[in-house]
Amino acid sequence: QKEVEQNSGPLSVPEGAIASLNCTYSDRGSQSFFWYRQYSGKSPELIMSIYSNGDKEDGRFTAQLNKASQYVSLLIRDSQPSDSATYLCAGGAILTGGGNKLTFGTGTQLKVEL
Amino acid sequence: GAVVSQHPSRVICKSGTSVKIECRSLDFQATTMFWYRQFPKQSLMLMATSNEGSKATYEQGVEKDKFLINHASLTLSTLTVTSAHPEDSSFYICSARDTAGLNYGYTFGSGTRLTVV
Repeated sequence: QKEVEQNSGPLSVPEGAIASLNCTYSDRGSQSFFWYRQYSGKSPELIMSIYSNGDKEDGRFTAQLNKASQYVSLLIRDSQPSDSATYLCAGGAILTGGGNKLTFGTGTQLKVEL
Repeated sequence: GAVVSQHPSRVICKSGTSVKIECRSLDFQATTMFWYRQFPKQSLMLMATSNEGSKATYEQGVEKDKFLINHASLTLSTLTVTSAHPEDSSFYICSARDTAGLNYGYTFGSGTRLTVV
């Protein structure tokens, strides 16, 4: 049973639109969540982290966490062709310390079309 | 910000030989590092957790005698793929977290694409 689930996509949005990426998790012990962007052939890079219920905004990106529904999302405003990539959702059990492993979803492929 | 350096970025080796991959935290100390493997069009699969000064913790199904991990210092972990075979060809990525910095996310190295011929 997968612990972090994402729709594999591809999700296609026109340039300038809002892209909405969703993720659900099964482990209620997960407390910290991360969104990574991965371009083809490259390693993942951190986009956002979120630990508390609600919204967290950083530039064009907004992460949303709902622990009651075990749901995490990422909104990308004013989508650009350079945002086209695979977005990985990850969850971890404990915030403190560096030794807590993350569980990754399979990723959602986003395509931003001109 | 936290930087993780990984070398080599690409390696081609003959079947039966061993390959060593290095992962370094450049501007922070990492008592724990993680090694992942990613096959084409698949997600990251955690192979093992590397612990400084002690044995690595391997995930279920990962052969510890085939994938040797050494974490001899607070800034360096190595993964050695022993007696490599074509099915070991994959993208290997390490990650670590700077617990002292403001970035609470896990930083990834640039990855090593291993091709066994």
